[in-house]
This record gives sequence, structure tokens and C-alpha cells, in this order.
Amino acid sequence: EPEVTQTPSHQVTQMGQEVILRCVPISNHLYFYWYRQILGQKVEFLVSFYNNEISEKSEIFDDQFSVERPDGSNFTLKIRSTKLEDSAMYFCASSEGLAGGYNEQFFGPGTRLTVL
Amino acid sequence: AQKVTQAQTEISVVEKEDVTLDCVYETRDTTYYLFWYKQPPSGELVFLIRRNSFDEQNEISGRYSWNFQKSTSSFNFTITASQVVDSAVYFCALSGPGSARQLTFGSGTQLTVLP
Repeated sequence: EPEVTQTPSHQVTQMGQEVILRCVPISNHLYFYWYRQILGQKVEFLVSFYNNEISEKSEIFDDQFSVERPDGSNFTLKIRSTKLEDSAMYFCASSEGLAGGYNEQFFGPGTRLTVL
Repeated sequence: AQKVTQAQTEISVVEKEDVTLDCVYETRDTTYYLFWYKQPPSGELVFLIRRNSFDEQNEISGRYSWNFQKSTSSFNFTITASQVVDSAVYFCALSGPGSARQLTFGSGTQLTVLP
């Protein structure tokens, strides 16, 4: 069964460093998402991406964040200058994007980011 | 704005007991979708169910059942004859209309099933 994959599973970085979290969505999916979950808290939407541009973004997704589809398979989240409060689990998701009705979002296993 | 409230932060039951997890939502959309996800200790998000706002029929899947009531804006989840493997955090989530809308999650309920 096709699945969303994410690398690395755990990333440790120093405050102020840039990190890139990588995701490989399911191959025929057209919509891609990033969510974040601070330890012990709820899952929060960051951004959705379609047709090589951002569809929606939350207040959390400020200028330190960016997303990119650098090739036909990867979808990346870059955090430019990490802060301690960026420590969280980051989930990637993808959906088919078919017109009409709801398109299921399939989640990856997550990348745990620890900022020291 | 959309909001999902899961008032029960933690629930602890003994194996074989039934348990109901509450979910109350707020939305201005007339078409919307409701979800339950399970997050076991390993951390991944496991999809359990989706309902759309036009379908108020209750659903049963094995030991799981869901009660959707638009009149009270609730979408409750019951586990019958709970098992230790059911121990996890359970999230209720809401999405608006459109083919690719963001999910708004509740704060989750930590369910612990004791042997």
C-alpha cells in the first residue's frame, strides 16, 4: 500500500541553524501539507501546497518557514533560523486532490525536531 | 473560524470496560467533515473514520462506534470492551468544504486501558 514517507525520523539542531525536513508524498497525489505537534499538544496546520504554490497557510507559518517541491517526488519544509520553540513533531500529509467531495489526507510517520 | 473541543484530557479504564470519548465542534460551514485519529505511543497518526455533515447515521466498526449529532455539534467515539492496545491519544478533527482543506484538530484525549 502506498504511503507517505518522511526523513529524517529525528533531527537535532542548534538554535539559529537552518533545517530541511523532507517528505515523499504518495505518487499520484496533488495536495501536500505540513502540520506540527509540540510535545503533548494538539496537531496544528502549517501550510498546504498545490500546483507549485502555497494554497493556505496558518499564522504559525511565518517568514522563517518555506516549502518547496524541488523535484517530482520530494516536498520539503525549511526552517531558516530555528528557535527553541520550533521543537516539535512535524507531520507531512498528501491527498489526491480530486474535484468534488473530500480527499483523504494520508499522514507520514513524522520527523521529531529537537532544537538545542 | 473552526474549533474542536475535546474536554476530556485523560481517561483511564480497566480492560473490557466501554469508554466514550467526547468531541464538540464549531464551524460556520454548512458542509464539513469530521474525523477521528489515533496516536499510539510510537507517534504516528492513524486515521479511524471520516463523516460528512450530511450523513448523521451512526457507524460501527468492530469494537468502535461513532455517534454524530448535528443538533449538539458533537461527534463522540465509543470503544466497546476496551483492550490495552487501545491505549493512545485520540484526536477529533474538522475540515471545511473543498477538495483540499486543512484539518483543525482538538487537543486530544489520552486513553489509558489498564489490564
